[in-house]
Amino acid sequence: DAGVIQSPRHEVTEMGQEVTLRCKPISGHNSLFWYRQTMMRGLELLIYFNNNVPIDDSGMPEDRFSAKMPNASFSTLKIQPSEPRDSAVYFCASSLRSGKDEQFFGPGTRLTVL
Amino acid sequence: GENVEQHPSTLSVQEGDSAVIKCTYSDSASNYFPWYKQELGKRPQLIIDIRSNVGEKKDQRIAVTLNKTAKHFSLHITETQPEDSAVYFCAAGFGTASKLTFGTGTRLQVTL
Repeated sequence: DAGVIQSPRHEVTEMGQEVTLRCKPISGHNSLFWYRQTMMRGLELLIYFNNNVPIDDSGMPEDRFSAKMPNASFSTLKIQPSEPRDSAVYFCASSLRSGKDEQFFGPGTRLTVL
Repeated sequence: GENVEQHPSTLSVQEGDSAVIKCTYSDSASNYFPWYKQELGKRPQLIIDIRSNVGEKKDQRIAVTLNKTAKHFSLHITETQPEDSAVYFCAAGFGTASKLTFGTGTRLQVTL
């Protein structure tokens, strides 16, 4: 298995632009998590899905952030409009329910908003 | 919601010595406690985890202990090696495939 796949790996954009981050979970996993990592705030959970349904989005910082999971093999995290304070590494992770809790992280997307 | 505190934020040990990282959590309902290792520029990876029905778990040089009454758990690394140098995160969660609340991380440096 290729593991969790994220794209792009690096994104540099200007303030005000729309940014879309993509994630493909491990095949067969039915839970998907989006995290943001910064030096100041550490590793924060933004939102997670079970069976493609958003369960908890309380970590989404504001309305500029939105996430979707249209099917079991794809999820997006969108920021519109982006701001410099959104600069961070965004990780996607997936796990298999039914008693197995390990979350497998993707390689992350390093976002820089100028 | 859950709050996880982690100490120390940085830890320097000599090769061969032991390292201990401690975490406390606030929600008594939490029952799953994983530890992740993150090397520079890499993704976090699970190194060991423990459930609340177990007090201790060991895997070669790594062990984790859990005190449910005091709501704290610790990571112990024995016979440290330079490749153990990384940032270690503790986390707490509830249920299966549940959301995890992460600690702020401990940067471990193993010196020769």
